[in-house]
Amino acid sequence: QVQLQESGPGLVKPSETLSLTCTVSGGSISNYYWSWIRQSPGKGLEWIGYMFYSGSSTYSPSLNSRVSISMDTSKNQVSLTLSSVTASDTAVYYCARGGETSAARPIDYWGQGTQVTVSS
Amino acid sequence: EIVMTQSPDSLAVSLGERATINCKSSQSVLNSSNNKNYLGWYQQKPGQPPKLLIYWASTRQSGVPDRFSGSGSGTDFTLTISSLQAEDVAVYYCQQYYSTPFTFGPGTKVDIK
Repeated sequence: QVQLQESGPGLVKPSETLSLTCTVSGGSISNYYWSWIRQSPGKGLEWIGYMFYSGSSTYSPSLNSRVSISMDTSKNQVSLTLSSVTASDTAVYYCARGGETSAARPIDYWGQGTQVTVSS
Repeated sequence: EIVMTQSPDSLAVSLGERATINCKSSQSVLNSSNNKNYLGWYQQKPGQPPKLLIYWASTRQSGVPDRFSGSGSGTDFTLTISSLQAEDVAVYYCQQYYSTPFTFGPGTKVDIK
């Protein structure tokens, strides 16, 4: 059974960089697309972007200039960085698994999510 | 960007009765080359992540009870719970994975009447 666990600071100051890590167990991150999705009361579920284990990535245009997703196959981890955060980046951040070899697939596994609050 | 809308925002249904949720996309999510609609439905209970119920608009994910069904094509889709159970109280979201950014509907809250 694939399990995803997000970790990282729960509080980030405005203008700083948010960094989260997702550790995947019960399966390899290879051959799959891995997404980050966030959820806030005001914006609902928002897809941030995905990365394939080969290194190719696609990001939401609304966040493209501030976001980066990376992977460490040796540690079976997927990471998210979001720079220059503001209060509107406050949300629950989910790590999620997408398609196998194809990006255009639904999310079949989700982490439990981690709350990130942006505040001074 | 494909915009997803859902209706109603919320509904209350008696136990054992049918619940119907609608989802509409601003552009077609039907891939004519394989005749598949790139549309999924998720269920989210409080304090939990979303759970995939339906993909390709009408295919139930493994382990999902058969009282859940999906239908529709192109831009108009429906999730039906044929006989509402207490454990079905949740928020339901549709999502298109036809083109990036993959987008979600705003959700429909289902309660017991």
